[in-house]
Amino acid sequence: KAGVTQTPRYLIKTRGQQVTLSCSPISGHRSVSWYQQTPGQGLQFLFEYFSETQRNKGNFPGRFSGRQFSNSRSEMNVSTLELGDSALYLCASSSLPGGRTDTQYFGPGTRLTVL
Amino acid sequence: AQSVTQLDSHVSVSEGTPVLLRCNYSSSYSPSLFWYVQHPNKGLQLLLKYTSAATLVKGINGFEAEFKKSETSFHLTKPSAHMSDAAEYFCVVSVLPRYNNNDMRFGAGTRLTVKP
Repeated sequence: KAGVTQTPRYLIKTRGQQVTLSCSPISGHRSVSWYQQTPGQGLQFLFEYFSETQRNKGNFPGRFSGRQFSNSRSEMNVSTLELGDSALYLCASSSLPGGRTDTQYFGPGTRLTVL
Repeated sequence: AQSVTQLDSHVSVSEGTPVLLRCNYSSSYSPSLFWYVQHPNKGLQLLLKYTSAATLVKGINGFEAEFKKSETSFHLTKPSAHMSDAAEYFCVVSVLPRYNNNDMRFGAGTRLTVKP
């Protein structure tokens, strides 16, 4: 079974631009979560989608948004980029939303650099 | 509220010697606990998880962790380090039951270096 894939792997943008990142979950998984990883803040939860609906959202400004399609693929959009948005963005999929025994499978991440 | 503290930001061991990565947690409820590993330029891979079953949890690649409620700890160990174990390790706590991923808290990470 193919793992979680994220595209692109690397991205360089300038302040004020917007960016869209893509995540394809493991086949059959309907839950997709997004995380931001930075050296200063570590791993922080952005949002989770299940069956095209956003279930939860972390403590990030409205510039960060996402969506999920009927095939469970998800996109994350960041508008009006700031230098502080430079990070590794990780996507994780699981078969069910939440659930204490459920395991999340992570993709390799998209490294975003904002100049 | 739950939180997790990884007591060492960096651990260095020699190949063939034991590995100990320390993790303490705080949770108002019975927690689920996870260890993930992240190799350079890769995503996180689940090593093992504790979800209120056996307190000694065995994971992949020879790693194991013991849940100690009295010490609020979930330390990760391996009897003999291999060069391929060099990576960043994350301890994660989540409330039982975990209804949403916003309830998960990631530790700051421990970088493991393995010397030949």
